[in-house]
Amino acid sequence: DAKTTQPNSMESNEEEPVHLPCNHSTISGTDYIHWYRQLPSQGPEYVIHGLTSNVNNRMASLAIAEDRKSSTLILHRATLRDAAVYYCILRGLYSGGGADGLTFGKGTHLIIQP
Amino acid sequence: DGGITQSPKYLFRKEGQNVTLSCEQNLNHDAMYWYRQDPGQGLRLIYYSQIVNDFQKGDIAEGYSVSREKKESFPLTVTSAQKNPTAFYLCASSIGGFDYNQPQHFGDGTRLSIL
Repeated sequence: DAKTTQPNSMESNEEEPVHLPCNHSTISGTDYIHWYRQLPSQGPEYVIHGLTSNVNNRMASLAIAEDRKSSTLILHRATLRDAAVYYCILRGLYSGGGADGLTFGKGTHLIIQP
Repeated sequence: DGGITQSPKYLFRKEGQNVTLSCEQNLNHDAMYWYRQDPGQGLRLIYYSQIVNDFQKGDIAEGYSVSREKKESFPLTVTSAQKNPTAFYLCASSIGGFDYNQPQHFGDGTRLSIL
Protein backbone atom coordinates (compact mmCIF):
# COMPACT_ATOMS: atom_id res chain seq x y z
CA ASP A 1 0.00 0.00 0.00
CA ALA A 2 1.16 3.51 -0.75
CA LYS A 3 2.13 5.37 2.40
CA THR A 4 2.04 8.98 3.45
CA THR A 5 4.56 10.89 5.54
CA GLN A 6 3.57 13.85 7.70
CA PRO A 7 5.42 15.88 10.36
CA ASN A 8 4.55 14.81 13.89
CA SER A 9 3.55 18.30 14.96
CA MET A 10 3.29 21.88 13.78
CA GLU A 11 2.60 25.14 15.54
CA SER A 12 0.93 28.25 14.18
CA ASN A 13 -0.57 31.48 15.41
CA GLU A 14 -4.24 32.27 15.46
CA GLU A 15 -5.58 34.13 12.40
CA GLU A 16 -2.55 33.17 10.30
CA PRO A 17 -2.53 30.70 7.40
CA VAL A 18 -1.36 27.15 8.05
CA HIS A 19 0.26 24.86 5.51
CA LEU A 20 0.24 21.18 6.46
CA PRO A 21 2.49 19.05 4.21
CA CYS A 22 2.09 15.42 3.19
CA ASN A 23 4.51 13.32 1.15
CA HIS A 24 3.24 10.36 -0.85
CA SER A 25 6.05 9.52 -3.26
CA THR A 26 4.65 6.08 -4.18
CA ILE A 27 1.15 7.30 -5.04
CA SER A 28 -0.45 5.59 -8.03
CA GLY A 29 -2.22 7.40 -10.81
CA THR A 30 -5.69 6.53 -9.55
CA ASP A 31 -5.19 7.31 -5.85
CA TYR A 32 -7.26 10.07 -4.29
CA ILE A 33 -5.65 12.19 -1.56
CA HIS A 34 -7.99 12.59 1.41
CA TRP A 35 -7.58 14.73 4.51
CA TYR A 36 -9.34 14.20 7.82
CA ARG A 37 -8.92 15.90 11.17
CA GLN A 38 -9.66 14.74 14.67
CA LEU A 39 -10.40 17.10 17.54
CA PRO A 40 -9.75 15.85 21.08
CA SER A 41 -12.19 13.13 22.18
CA GLN A 42 -14.12 13.26 18.91
CA GLY A 43 -14.35 11.11 15.80
CA PRO A 44 -12.40 12.07 12.67
CA GLU A 45 -13.97 14.70 10.46
CA TYR A 46 -13.61 14.77 6.68
CA VAL A 47 -11.86 17.93 5.50
CA ILE A 48 -11.18 17.72 1.77
CA HIS A 49 -9.95 15.42 -1.00
CA GLY A 50 -8.60 15.62 -4.54
CA LEU A 51 -7.07 13.67 -7.39
CA THR A 52 -4.95 15.97 -9.54
CA SER A 53 -6.24 19.53 -9.42
CA ASN A 54 -6.20 21.88 -6.48
CA VAL A 55 -9.44 21.87 -4.52
CA ASN A 56 -11.21 24.42 -2.33
CA ASN A 57 -14.11 24.09 0.08
CA ARG A 58 -15.45 26.03 3.01
CA MET A 59 -13.02 24.41 5.42
CA ALA A 60 -9.71 24.41 3.55
CA SER A 61 -7.78 24.22 0.30
CA LEU A 62 -5.79 21.31 -1.03
CA ALA A 63 -2.76 21.99 -3.19
CA ILE A 64 -1.47 18.96 -5.08
CA ALA A 65 2.02 18.95 -6.60
CA GLU A 66 2.23 18.52 -10.33
CA ASP A 67 3.91 15.12 -9.97
CA ARG A 68 1.37 14.23 -7.22
CA LYS A 69 4.12 13.05 -4.90
CA SER A 70 3.18 15.59 -2.29
CA SER A 71 0.26 17.72 -1.23
CA THR A 72 -0.45 20.55 1.17
CA LEU A 73 -3.55 21.23 3.21
CA ILE A 74 -4.07 24.97 3.63
CA LEU A 75 -6.10 26.51 6.40
CA HIS A 76 -6.45 30.11 5.30
CA ARG A 77 -6.98 31.68 8.71
CA ALA A 78 -6.42 29.39 11.66
CA THR A 79 -8.62 29.61 14.72
CA LEU A 80 -8.25 27.90 18.09
CA ARG A 81 -10.92 25.45 16.95
CA ASP A 82 -8.57 24.19 14.23
CA ALA A 83 -6.26 22.66 16.83
CA ALA A 84 -6.47 18.95 16.00
CA VAL A 85 -4.62 15.99 14.55
CA TYR A 86 -4.67 16.11 10.74
CA TYR A 87 -4.43 12.92 8.74
CA CYS A 88 -3.43 12.60 5.09
CA ILE A 89 -4.73 9.35 3.57
CA LEU A 90 -4.52 7.80 0.11
CA ARG A 91 -7.53 5.97 -1.26
CA GLY A 92 -7.44 3.91 -4.40
CA LEU A 93 -7.43 0.50 -5.96
CA TYR A 94 -3.80 -0.17 -4.98
CA SER A 95 -3.64 1.96 -1.82
CA GLY A 96 -6.72 0.58 -0.18
CA GLY A 97 -8.93 2.82 1.85
CA GLY A 98 -11.97 1.50 0.11
CA ALA A 99 -14.10 -1.45 1.08
CA ASP A 100 -11.53 -2.46 3.67
CA GLY A 101 -11.53 0.87 5.47
CA LEU A 102 -9.12 3.76 5.82
CA THR A 103 -5.52 3.44 6.98
CA PHE A 104 -4.73 6.14 9.51
CA GLY A 105 -1.15 6.95 10.44
CA LYS A 106 -0.26 9.17 13.39
CA GLY A 107 -0.97 12.40 11.51
CA THR A 108 0.20 15.92 12.31
CA HIS A 109 -0.71 17.45 15.66
CA LEU A 110 -1.52 21.10 14.90
CA ILE A 111 -1.11 23.51 17.78
CA ILE A 112 -2.62 26.98 17.49
CA GLN A 113 -1.24 29.75 19.68
CA PRO A 114 -3.61 32.60 20.59
CA ASP B 1 -29.63 16.37 10.22
CA GLY B 2 -28.13 13.21 8.74
CA GLY B 3 -25.29 11.57 10.59
CA ILE B 4 -23.94 8.71 12.65
CA THR B 5 -24.98 8.17 16.25
CA GLN B 6 -22.89 6.10 18.60
CA SER B 7 -24.02 5.13 22.07
CA PRO B 8 -23.20 5.13 24.84
CA LYS B 9 -20.51 7.79 24.97
CA TYR B 10 -18.81 6.05 27.91
CA LEU B 11 -19.01 2.36 28.81
CA PHE B 12 -17.49 0.26 31.56
CA ARG B 13 -16.95 -3.46 31.33
CA LYS B 14 -16.45 -5.95 34.10
CA GLU B 15 -14.10 -8.89 33.71
CA GLY B 16 -15.70 -11.73 31.75
CA GLN B 17 -18.55 -9.58 30.51
CA ASN B 18 -19.67 -8.96 26.92
CA VAL B 19 -20.71 -5.43 26.03
CA THR B 20 -22.36 -4.07 22.89
CA LEU B 21 -21.69 -0.69 21.32
CA SER B 22 -24.41 0.82 19.20
CA CYS B 23 -23.94 2.53 15.83
CA GLU B 24 -26.85 3.96 13.81
CA GLN B 25 -26.71 6.02 10.60
CA ASN B 26 -29.43 7.85 8.71
CA LEU B 27 -27.28 8.70 5.69
CA ASN B 28 -28.59 5.76 3.62
CA HIS B 29 -25.01 4.52 3.28
CA ASP B 30 -24.32 0.94 2.24
CA ALA B 31 -20.89 0.59 3.86
CA MET B 32 -20.21 0.70 7.60
CA TYR B 33 -17.00 0.29 9.61
CA TRP B 34 -15.74 -0.14 13.15
CA TYR B 35 -12.33 1.21 14.20
CA ARG B 36 -10.41 1.10 17.44
CA GLN B 37 -8.11 3.94 18.58
CA ASP B 38 -5.57 3.63 21.39
CA PRO B 39 -4.05 6.73 23.02
CA GLY B 40 -1.72 8.63 20.69
CA GLN B 41 -2.30 6.17 17.87
CA GLY B 42 -4.12 6.14 14.55
CA LEU B 43 -7.28 4.12 13.89
CA ARG B 44 -7.24 0.37 13.31
CA LEU B 45 -10.02 -1.46 11.50
CA ILE B 46 -11.98 -4.09 13.44
CA TYR B 47 -14.85 -5.08 11.09
CA TYR B 48 -16.52 -3.68 8.01
CA SER B 49 -19.73 -4.33 6.12
CA GLN B 50 -20.53 -3.46 2.52
CA ILE B 51 -24.13 -4.62 2.53
CA VAL B 52 -26.83 -5.89 4.85
CA ASN B 53 -26.24 -9.41 6.20
CA ASP B 54 -22.61 -9.38 5.13
CA PHE B 55 -19.48 -8.30 6.99
CA GLN B 56 -15.73 -8.92 6.90
CA LYS B 57 -12.96 -9.02 9.49
CA GLY B 58 -10.53 -6.15 9.59
CA ASP B 59 -7.00 -6.09 10.95
CA ILE B 60 -7.86 -6.69 14.62
CA ALA B 61 -11.13 -8.67 14.69
CA GLU B 62 -10.18 -11.16 17.41
CA GLY B 63 -12.36 -10.77 20.50
CA TYR B 64 -15.02 -8.76 18.67
CA SER B 65 -18.24 -9.64 16.84
CA VAL B 66 -20.71 -7.66 14.70
CA SER B 67 -24.05 -8.02 12.96
CA ARG B 68 -25.67 -6.15 10.07
CA GLU B 69 -29.35 -7.00 10.06
CA LYS B 70 -30.46 -3.53 8.98
CA LYS B 71 -28.85 -1.05 6.62
CA GLU B 72 -28.78 1.69 9.23
CA SER B 73 -27.39 -0.33 12.14
CA PHE B 74 -24.01 -2.00 12.77
CA PRO B 75 -23.57 -2.93 16.45
CA LEU B 76 -20.20 -4.10 17.80
CA THR B 77 -19.91 -6.60 20.66
CA VAL B 78 -16.72 -6.64 22.67
CA THR B 79 -16.50 -10.15 24.05
CA SER B 80 -14.73 -11.46 27.11
CA ALA B 81 -12.13 -12.92 24.73
CA GLN B 82 -10.84 -9.39 24.06
CA LYS B 83 -8.25 -9.12 26.81
CA ASN B 84 -7.37 -5.48 26.30
CA PRO B 85 -10.63 -3.73 25.40
CA THR B 86 -9.87 -0.31 26.87
CA ALA B 87 -9.90 2.04 23.89
CA PHE B 88 -11.86 4.63 21.93
CA TYR B 89 -14.21 2.93 19.44
CA LEU B 90 -15.32 4.71 16.28
CA CYS B 91 -18.02 3.81 13.82
CA ALA B 92 -18.03 5.14 10.25
CA SER B 93 -20.07 4.85 7.09
CA SER B 94 -19.70 5.66 3.41
CA ILE B 95 -21.86 5.55 0.31
CA GLY B 96 -20.07 2.51 -1.07
CA GLY B 97 -16.81 0.84 -0.18
CA PHE B 98 -15.17 1.00 -3.58
CA ASP B 99 -15.98 4.59 -4.40
CA TYR B 100 -12.66 6.19 -3.52
CA ASN B 101 -14.04 9.60 -4.45
CA GLN B 102 -16.36 9.63 -1.44
CA PRO B 103 -15.51 10.42 2.18
CA GLN B 104 -16.20 8.34 5.24
CA HIS B 105 -18.38 9.87 7.92
CA PHE B 106 -17.59 9.16 11.58
CA GLY B 107 -19.57 9.10 14.78
CA ASP B 108 -18.35 10.74 17.99
CA GLY B 109 -17.10 7.48 19.45
CA THR B 110 -17.58 5.32 22.54
CA ARG B 111 -14.90 5.23 25.19
CA LEU B 112 -14.71 1.77 26.79
CA SER B 113 -12.92 1.12 30.06
CA ILE B 114 -12.40 -1.91 32.28
CA LEU B 115 -13.75 -1.86 35.82
